[in-house]
Amino acid sequence: DIQMTQSPSTLSASVGDRVTITCRASQSIRNWLAWYQQKPGKGPKLLIYKASSLESGVPSRFSGSGSGTEFTLTISSLQPDDFAIYYCQQYNSYWTFGQGTKVEIK
Amino acid sequence: EVQLLESGGGLVQPGGSLRLSCTASGYTFSSCAMTWVRQAPGKGLEWVSTISGSGGAIYYADSVKGRFTISRDNSKNTLYLQMNSLRAEDTALYYCAKDFLNEAYFDSWGQGTLVSVSS
Repeated sequence: DIQMTQSPSTLSASVGDRVTITCRASQSIRNWLAWYQQKPGKGPKLLIYKASSLESGVPSRFSGSGSGTEFTLTISSLQPDDFAIYYCQQYNSYWTFGQGTKVEIK
Repeated sequence: EVQLLESGGGLVQPGGSLRLSCTASGYTFSSCAMTWVRQAPGKGLEWVSTISGSGGAIYYADSVKGRFTISRDNSKNTLYLQMNSLRAEDTALYYCAKDFLNEAYFDSWGQGTLVSVSS
């Protein structure tokens, strides 16, 4: 089974900050990686697919990069609406999620 | 607009059964694989099961294999999850999610239905 490890688990940041979340896979997943945002009481929302492709309607301040085993999600300028939990997910071999990164207000 | 609406959750005793449903609208249901993902209280997301658009390919997580059965009725635009031999650790919010044209990532999610397994 492929394991996904996100870091950090919690991130404290201010509006306007540049934020980076890392996701590592236990083996190569090529670029079969997605990022989701989840807010309290809601289902997750797709942000990025295929490691770096921005889902339609998602603000351009979100970007993804990486391939193989190491990936990053970057928010270029954190907005109030971005405080949430972020999950990476591999879909190279079945499906596995990272444990999540909570982005909270500093 | 794609809409996914889960139903069927509730309180059930250990060893009991429950059937979840997910009714889809706003797209051609039979064209897309569908997936169940669960989230235990205060925890992260866990993939449970996926079924192809035709129903011909089915996948399960090891944690539910042999106990849960995924199915779909394309004439009713509905996805199902039959859950048998339920355990306390199955307690979670269960989401249905739509695959993007069988690309294996999930571009739409429902709001979830809560399953509680307790005596």
